[in-house]
Amino acid sequence: QVQLVESGGGVVQPGRSLRLSCAASGFSFSNYGMHWVRQAPGKGLEWVAVIWNDGSNKYYADSVKGRFTISRDNSKNTLYLQMNSLRAEDTAVYYCAKESGYSYYLDYWGQGILVTVSS
Amino acid sequence: QSALTQPASVSGSPGQSITISCTGTSSDVGSYNLVSWYQQHPGKAPKLMIYEVSKRPSGVSNRFSGSKSGNTASLTISGLQAEDEADYYCCSYAGSSSLVFGGGTKLTVL
Repeated sequence: QVQLVESGGGVVQPGRSLRLSCAASGFSFSNYGMHWVRQAPGKGLEWVAVIWNDGSNKYYADSVKGRFTISRDNSKNTLYLQMNSLRAEDTAVYYCAKESGYSYYLDYWGQGILVTVSS
Repeated sequence: QSALTQPASVSGSPGQSITISCTGTSSDVGSYNLVSWYQQHPGKAPKLMIYEVSKRPSGVSNRFSGSKSGNTASLTISGLQAEDEADYYCCSYAGSSSLVFGGGTKLTVL
């Protein structure tokens, strides 16, 4: 069965960096685009970034563009999110999600990992 | 990349039907039949309920249905059950591989 397990979250000071990982299993990771979606405490879902199956293209929400970098290692079945220059408003649960392969819907989600940006 | 517009809350009694609207623009909902809906219970990850406007994944009850007209998509839940109480989010493809979510709707089963 498909499993997505995020790690790397925690408390970080404003302006610092953090890298999230998402370990994937149960499907052919290299065949699918992958997304990061976040949810601030008590708020709705916000799309963050996408990376194509082969890593050739990456797109970001305006709110994180220039600060966050999405990447993947298909040999390790792992997705990453490098978050730099963190701000208080980046505090959220971060979910990795598998794209269906077409039609841009997210058919499997990880359990989420909390990132808290606070001094 | 403005969020799609959903009502903050809807409610209904068991057995009734409710509809949640999701209004976007001609750049997202109106341009693509690529609207999906997600259910989220407190403390849990979102779950896919509808994709490509009106298709149901395997295992999702046929009480859930979706539609779209112009820039507005809708999710209808018929025969409301207590377990349907959750937050619901619409999502649309917005071009350049990006997605945009709605603000979410809290469904209360009275």
